[in-house]
Amino acid sequence: EPEVTQTPSHQVTQMGQEVILRCVPISNHLYFYWYRQILGQKVEFLVSFYNNEISEKSEIFDDQFSVERPDGSNFTLKIRSTKLEDSAMYFCASSGGARGVGETQYFGPGTRLLVL
Amino acid sequence: AQSVTQPDIHITVSEGASLELRCNYSYGATPYLFWYVQSPGQGLQLLLKYFSGDTLVQGIKGFEAEFKRSQSSFNLRKPSVHWSDAAEYFCAVGSFNNNDMRFGAGTRLTVKP
Repeated sequence: EPEVTQTPSHQVTQMGQEVILRCVPISNHLYFYWYRQILGQKVEFLVSFYNNEISEKSEIFDDQFSVERPDGSNFTLKIRSTKLEDSAMYFCASSGGARGVGETQYFGPGTRLLVL
Repeated sequence: AQSVTQPDIHITVSEGASLELRCNYSYGATPYLFWYVQSPGQGLQLLLKYFSGDTLVQGIKGFEAEFKRSQSSFNLRKPSVHWSDAAEYFCAVGSFNNNDMRFGAGTRLTVKP
């Protein structure tokens, strides 16, 4: 069964450093998402991406965040200058179908980011 | 804006007992509702979803959920819990476009032998 994959599984970085989290969505999916889950808290939506542009973003997704689909398979989340409060599990998800269909989102296993 | 409330932070049940996890949502239109399970150190796995039609939906691992519009609820049930069901369970509501799915805070399930 196709699945969403994420690399790395864990990343430790120093405050102020840039990190790039990588995701390979399910191959025929059209919508891509990033979520984060701070330890012990709920899963929070960050951003959705469709047709090579951001379709929606939350208030969490400020200027230090960016997303990109650099090629036909990868979907990346960049945090330009990490802060301690960016420490969280970051989940990538993808869904198929055209806009408005309300397709199910399939989640990757997550990248645990620790900012020191 | 849509939101989800899971009133129970932590539930403990004995193996073999029945289970019901509560989920209440707030949404102005017809919601798209989901239950996900997260085992320790793992990602989110979809258990079941409701978009329309039959209000009782069956999912994987023997779970089911019932959509009750009048109560704005989408409670998850299982008739007999197994030790492997111990995990965190998240209810989520999505919009028609499903671009911004909102999750509840989660309910942690502990299963006693």
